[in-house]
Amino acid sequence: GAGVSQSPSNKVTEKGKDVELRCDPISGHTALYWYRQSLGQGLEFLIYFQGNSAPDKSGLPSDRFSAERTGGSVSTLTIQRTQQEDSAVYLCASTPGYLDEKLFFGSGTQLSVL
Amino acid sequence: DAKTTQPTSMDCAEGRAANLPCNHSTISGNEYVYWYRQIHSQGPQYIIHGLKNNETNEMASLIITEDRKSSTLILPHATLRDTAVYYCIVNDMRFGAGTRLTVKP
Repeated sequence: GAGVSQSPSNKVTEKGKDVELRCDPISGHTALYWYRQSLGQGLEFLIYFQGNSAPDKSGLPSDRFSAERTGGSVSTLTIQRTQQEDSAVYLCASTPGYLDEKLFFGSGTQLSVL
Repeated sequence: DAKTTQPTSMDCAEGRAANLPCNHSTISGNEYVYWYRQIHSQGPQYIIHGLKNNETNEMASLIITEDRKSSTLILPHATLRDTAVYYCIVNDMRFGAGTRLTVKP
């Protein structure tokens, strides 16, 4: 694939349900980021994966949020017991890592919690 | 929190140069400055980055002050399609609110 792929592009869920958002980074990219963007706001950093290192989870807003990256490639962001304030666009980005850290973004997942 | 600060909004006349400032006074010696822009709700698009020297590519120019505490992104001939939110970040990859640039006819 040519770019970062995110799925689904749109997700509507009911309050209290769990959701999983998927990110397929560009092949060979070692670093992967998740961001959240609420309507009219800037990008809020959530979590960062770099190779086999422990992820930087400092941006996760609560323990309802978690993410994993399997095999150094695909990443899944999980939100448990969703709340209405979780409604936002969730963006994933990858970079080649190390010396080249230009971020390549996916198109995002629009999450709506009713 | 982001290590960069930018004005909330700016206007520019079509065909004129747009100069977007960014302050990064706590930048470390080995940190780069990156600029991105976001049109509507699309994912941000990379524009340019630099360390110490001024940089130019087909999209823009980046001017970094000698003390590296601030920089300016220059769009030499702004068009209506350059209307977007512009973000300046450093290597920590934390985004602030950015600058909303509106190019007017």
